[in-house]
Order: sequence, then structure tokens, then C-alpha cells
Amino acid sequence: RKEVEQDPGPFNVPEGATVAFNCTYSNSASQSFFWYRQDCRKEPKLLMSVYSSGNEDGRFTAQLNRASQYISLLIRDSKLSDSATYLCVVGRGTSYDKVIFGPGTSLSVIP
Amino acid sequence: NAGVMQNPRHLVRRRGQEARLRCSPMKGHSHVYWYRQLPEEGLKFMVYLQKENIIDESGMPKERFSAEFPKEGPSILRIQQVVRGDSAAYFCASSPPGGTAEQYFGPGTRLTVT
Repeated sequence: RKEVEQDPGPFNVPEGATVAFNCTYSNSASQSFFWYRQDCRKEPKLLMSVYSSGNEDGRFTAQLNRASQYISLLIRDSKLSDSATYLCVVGRGTSYDKVIFGPGTSLSVIP
Repeated sequence: NAGVMQNPRHLVRRRGQEARLRCSPMKGHSHVYWYRQLPEEGLKFMVYLQKENIIDESGMPKERFSAEFPKEGPSILRIQQVVRGDSAAYFCASSPPGGTAEQYFGPGTRLTVT
């Protein structure tokens, strides 16, 4: 089993739709979790950290389920500018300075 | 506060030449990471360095690749005797000291081997 797995996509959704991405991780000792986005031919950019209690930033909501080793990202009211690849990132074990990037899920928001 | 800087942004090398990629971390950051991304593929971890120390090089090919982060100056990823398969985007990221895993990426260097 890969250390971090994501829905491969691509997800093609109309503007205004709600879309959810899932991510599973294999190391139960992982302590840090993030979502990054990567636009085509650009560098990854930190979207949000994921906390145990779940967190929200505008249209974006991240959830963590430690028991199931599962992270999700929900995007409400999708915009054309949300089109990108979304990367799930998980800390490697208990270390806070090493992470593993998932393969990413591609999202295209269409008018 | 300037972000992570990488240069050159684009680098073309012929097979057998050497490629040197530079990365200056964000001010105050002491941890540097190098990743490689092949076309249409995900990010692959290569090496993690702190000043004058290689912490984890488990993702780096054993031959032809080396990395350093000297006390002064940028981090350098060096690829000797490049081959066509080395063509990729190489991203550098940095993070601050003190136990955070948030990494901030530079714009990348796109290496093309002809």
C-alpha cells in the first residue's frame, strides 16, 4: 500500500458545484497533514493545514479522521480559478520536518 | 520577505554535461528540501538538508546526484553526466526551524537534456 493515496481524478465540475477530495495514509503515527494546490507547470502552494478538529477557510473545509487514516478537502461554490491539482501531504511518522506528497487529484471547473 | 528563490528557471544541457541548480530558502528558514517532478507525474522527494548537513537523502539516486547546503550561500543540487531521463522540473522548498512541516516552494528549475 502506498503511504499516501488520493482519488486520481480528473474531476470535471461546473462552476458553483461542491466537490470533495479524499486522501488516505498508511502510517498511523503521522502527526501533520496539509493540502497543497499546484497549478499547471507551477510550484505547489500551501492551501491549508488540517487539524484534528477540522478547519475551514472560506469555501474550503478540511477534515481529518485519525481512526480511518483519512483526510478530506471540500470545496464549495467552485470557481474557474479553483482548477488545479490538489495534493494531500502527510507527515512522515512522528517527525514534523519530513512529509510525503500524495500523487494529486486534478480538478477542472468548467463554465 | 522574499520567497524561496531558485535559479536558473530554465536550464538546457546536452547529454554528459553537468547541471547545477541553486536554491535560496526564505529568510529565517534553515531546512531545505529538493523534489523532482517528471512530466504528468507527482512530486518525488529527493533530499532534505539543514545547514552543512544532509538529513535524509533516501530519495536521491546513488550515482551522479549530489546536494549541499553550505553555511553561507544557497543550496546546490548537482547532476553530473546528465541523461535524457533527468529532464524534469526540480523544486526546492524550505521550512523554518522549530518543528513545523509546512514547506514553501520555489518556482522550480526546468531542466531539459538534449
